[in-house]
Amino acid sequence: KNEVEQSPQNLTAQEGEFITINCSYSVGISALHWLQQHPGGGIVSLFMLSSGKKKHGRLIATINIQEKHSSLHITASHPRDSAVYICAVSRETSGSRLTFGEGTQLTVNP
Amino acid sequence: DARVTQTPRHKVTEMGQEVTMRCQPILGHNTVFWYRQTMMQGLELLAYFRNRAPLDDSGMPKDRFSAEMPDATLATLKIQPSEPRDSAVYFCASGLVYWAAFSNQPQHFGDGTRLSIL
Repeated sequence: KNEVEQSPQNLTAQEGEFITINCSYSVGISALHWLQQHPGGGIVSLFMLSSGKKKHGRLIATINIQEKHSSLHITASHPRDSAVYICAVSRETSGSRLTFGEGTQLTVNP
Repeated sequence: DARVTQTPRHKVTEMGQEVTMRCQPILGHNTVFWYRQTMMQGLELLAYFRNRAPLDDSGMPKDRFSAEMPDATLATLKIQPSEPRDSAVYFCASGLVYWAAFSNQPQHFGDGTRLSIL
């Protein structure tokens, strides 16, 4: 079993829909990261959080430490949100190195 | 905006050849990571450095891979000899990491080197 698991693996939505991507982890963490990888391949860090909730524009990330679960929400989705979204954790015992989920391929159709 | 710069962006070479990938981290960042991304394995850590010292290279095949930081502005990842199974996208990332685990800052990724070994 992977230490970081994401669901769904693939997600197709219509423009304007509210989107949720889930991440569960099985190890103690110091932080959880949400990354975005566009078709061109570049990776951008969206959020790093260790508790509660963070918001940036139409993106919201939440984490429940007790349940070892995080969600990434996109409100009013747009075709430009189409990308792979990757959940990663910094483990308590390994400092800043990241352990990655397999990613969620999001496609938003106009 | 400051960026992590990786060169080359693309590399195609024949098996057995030496491959060198370079990374210029963001000025002031004290930690540099090398990741590899393949369809089968996804993203995985190969090695990382803090203040130019290697902290963990357990993800690297030691017999053919080597990672160094000759100075604070340059990190290199070498493969010698290269094999077709090394074909992947190699990402460098940098970050400012404090000694306390809970003070970590987000990592900044380069655009990657797409490596194809024929």
